[in-house]
Amino acid sequence: QQPVQSPQAVILREGEDAVINCSSSKALYSVHWYRQKHGEAPVFLMILLKGGEQKGHDKISASFNEKKQQSSLYLTASQLSYSGTYFCGPKGSGAGSYQLTFGKGTKLSVIP
Amino acid sequence: DAGVTQSPTHLIKTRGQQVTLRCSPKSGHDTVSWYQQALGQGPQFIFQYYEEEERQRGNFPDRFSGHQFPNYSSELNVNALLLGDSALYLCASSLDRSSYNSPLHFGNGTRLTVT
Repeated sequence: QQPVQSPQAVILREGEDAVINCSSSKALYSVHWYRQKHGEAPVFLMILLKGGEQKGHDKISASFNEKKQQSSLYLTASQLSYSGTYFCGPKGSGAGSYQLTFGKGTKLSVIP
Repeated sequence: DAGVTQSPTHLIKTRGQQVTLRCSPKSGHDTVSWYQQALGQGPQFIFQYYEEEERQRGNFPDRFSGHQFPNYSSELNVNALLLGDSALYLCASSLDRSSYNSPLHFGNGTRLTVT
């Protein structure tokens, strides 16, 4: 089942912060985050594993709450290069949990 | 280090025809997943190949089939094309031994247009 992302779209000025949320209806083992710029392939940002570890990638960090089956992506001091569509991909555990099911994405636009 | 390569980049087909898309995974990767991405939507999982077998399949009809070769490259075949099959088809490779924390590396995709 497809995870739900919010917001669907957000516009930021350079230097502002944003949070993108991802909720799943199934028990999760890990959450992947990817960014896709217009006309390009999705690019891997980070993976969060069960355990609530918060990870970072430059000024982009994320958290994972497996009890709530939610993950959040935090973008601080946004840069023009952060523009794109962000996808979360929760992954369950157990046999057959090989696929990554992506949400509809959150379109982030950073303006000067 | 070559990344994931897909061919062709663009393709125009007529309804009812058949199409084959090709993918070479990133060097060192042994698992290939195929995704369909409609305009404005997230990638939808079609299937995954590992050790030359289809390991998991998403909610796609049997018209969609695939193959993985001994060198880990893969093909996606779509028969009896429908207008609704028009989309960007993405291939993603990964390393199986750490499947839960192995990131996907995507190719640039094949843009299929069905007329």
